[in-house]
Amino acid sequence: QQPVQSPQAVILREGEDAVINCSSSKALYSVHWYRQKHGEAPVFLMILLKGGEQKGHDKISASFNEKKQQSSLYLTASQLSYSGTYFCGTGVGAGSYQLTFGKGTKLSVIP
Amino acid sequence: DTEVTQTPKHLVMGMTNKKSLKCEQHMGHRAMYWYKQKAKKPPELMFVYSYEKLSINESVPSRFSPECPNSSLLNLHLHALQPEDSALYLCASSQDWGSKAFFGQGTRLTVV
Repeated sequence: QQPVQSPQAVILREGEDAVINCSSSKALYSVHWYRQKHGEAPVFLMILLKGGEQKGHDKISASFNEKKQQSSLYLTASQLSYSGTYFCGTGVGAGSYQLTFGKGTKLSVIP
Repeated sequence: DTEVTQTPKHLVMGMTNKKSLKCEQHMGHRAMYWYKQKAKKPPELMFVYSYEKLSINESVPSRFSPECPNSSLLNLHLHALQPEDSALYLCASSQDWGSKAFFGQGTRLTVV
């Protein structure tokens, strides 16, 4: 079942913060975040496993709320290079190769 | 080498043609994937090979036929495609289930 991402699109000025949410009606085992720039391949950002963890590197971090079956991606002090479409992919069980992507959130960072 | 290489980058084929897409990785990954992506849509999983065996087939029409000749190579054979099959076909690989995936640049397929 496809996870639901919100917002669908967001425009930021450089230096502003953004939050992208990903939620599912099914119990989740893992949430994967990818960014895809126009005309390019998706690039891995991070994976979160059930257990309610939080991860981050540089100014991009994410959390996984197991009770709400929701993950949030936090982008702080956005840079022009953050522009692209962000996809969350959800996995439903250990040992499963299946990853279902949400419809994506288009992030545009302007000077 | 952290690359997944796909060839060709672009392909135009007629509905009666037979063609193949190729994907190669040398990271020792044990899982390889084919995804289909339409414009402004997310990637949709088509097939997964794990340890060179087909482990997932997401009810893909038989006009798409995957093949994994060895642990580094993944092919997608195409036959009698329809115009609605036009899309970006992405190959990806990962160390194992649940691991981060590396995507190739894709093959942009146009069926005429």
